Amino acid sequence: GENVEQHPSTLSVQEGDSAVIKCTYSDSASNYFPWYKQELGKRPQLIIDIRSNVGEKKDQRIAVTLNKTAKHFSLHITETQPEDSAVYFCAKNTGNQFYFGTGTSLTVIP
Amino acid sequence: DAGVIQSPRHEVTEMGQEVTLRCKPISGHDYLFWYRQTMMRGLELLIYFNNNVPIDDSGMPEDRFSAKMPNASFSTLKIQPSEPRDSAVYFCASSYIMGDPNQPQHFGDGTRLSIL
Repeated sequence: GENVEQHPSTLSVQEGDSAVIKCTYSDSASNYFPWYKQELGKRPQLIIDIRSNVGEKKDQRIAVTLNKTAKHFSLHITETQPEDSAVYFCAKNTGNQFYFGTGTSLTVIP
Repeated sequence: DAGVIQSPRHEVTEMGQEVTLRCKPISGHDYLFWYRQTMMRGLELLIYFNNNVPIDDSGMPEDRFSAKMPNASFSTLKIQPSEPRDSAVYFCASSYIMGDPNQPQHFGDGTRLSIL
């Protein structure tokens, strides 16, 4: 019930194309779903989050969608740029703990 | 705010030595988390504190690992004795929950630990 499955593990896209990363979970107690970006050798940084009373949230080129019924949430990056290259982690909360996905290594090819 | 501050940034030591990692959470945050990150296992939660009290240490791998939070602005993670398989990046994170668990965690820059 605590696992978060994240797909794909690696993703390469051409600059300007869109990238989509999907996470699924199985418990019903989670109400908060953050996404973190981790550049090589750096800390995970929060880029966007969504709460369960919302189905979609957008911040410039980044959007997150949540389907609580199907228990999946996705990160969408449009008009990708080389600086978007990083590892992206989804997470969900259960109580006061976070459970992280295994990460997606995104490479944006110039 | 300076964010979560960890020290040292890098630590290289020989197996058998004691290692102490330090963390200063964001001022006012009531939760502090210690994570270990490796390629094989990803981000693993080791232990977390609420108002300086350890709440869940089920992620601590062995008795060689211990963590303390003597006050709201300081926590340590200690490994004694250290082993090569402890080599990883250790992150500290803090959050301000105060009854609302739907809050982000803020990570420090991590300590890259290498045990030879």
